[in-house]
Amino acid sequence: EVQLVESGGGLVQPGGSLRLSCAASGFTVSNNYMSWVRQAPGKGLEWVSVIYSGGNTYYADSVKGRFTISRHNSKNTLYLQMNSLRAEDTAVYYCTRDTSTWFQSDYWGQGSLVTVSS
Amino acid sequence: DIQMTQSPSSLSASVGERVTITCRASQSINIYLNWYQQKPGKAPNLLIYAASSLQSGVPSRFSGSGSGTDFTLTISSLQPEDFATYYCQQSYITPLTFGGGTKVEIK
Repeated sequence: EVQLVESGGGLVQPGGSLRLSCAASGFTVSNNYMSWVRQAPGKGLEWVSVIYSGGNTYYADSVKGRFTISRHNSKNTLYLQMNSLRAEDTAVYYCTRDTSTWFQSDYWGQGSLVTVSS
Repeated sequence: DIQMTQSPSSLSASVGERVTITCRASQSINIYLNWYQQKPGKAPNLLIYAASSLQSGVPSRFSGSGSGTDFTLTISSLQPEDFATYYCQQSYITPLTFGGGTKVEIK
């Protein structure tokens, strides 16, 4: 059974850093496209970043230069390193497994809340 | 970036009604269009991918159509468990973008 379990969220001050983790089971992270999608409180969905199976990475303009997506193959875990955090980064962050055909997100984690506030 | 515009932003419907939600892309995205359902406090759930392909396990009352820039999600007979927010997403090119969502409420 495919499962994605996020961790690492919490309260952080503006300008601070946080690293989210997404532990996967039931499939191999490095063989799949993996994304982060976020949702600010009461708002819609916003795509954040993707890492392809080949290692290429892409980011939304809103986080480019501040966030880094990566994976640890032996731990079968996806990460999102978030630096220079802003109030507008406050959101629930979901990790997703994406297909390499139509790039849809067929599995989602339960989400991890990140709150940026002083 | 490709802009995705959903309409309506909300609707009220009764159980058994046919519901249609539309999604328009700011440029052609072929059929790289996905639909998700999200219930309060839960992660989104994939319903339709590649514009019209039904995700495994999703009831057949859900269907999708369209290509290019105009797409629709149809629920043929609304059920109590279908009251939720629905999002379209283009996966044609990064940055992937979502529509603003359509909240389906009980009339």
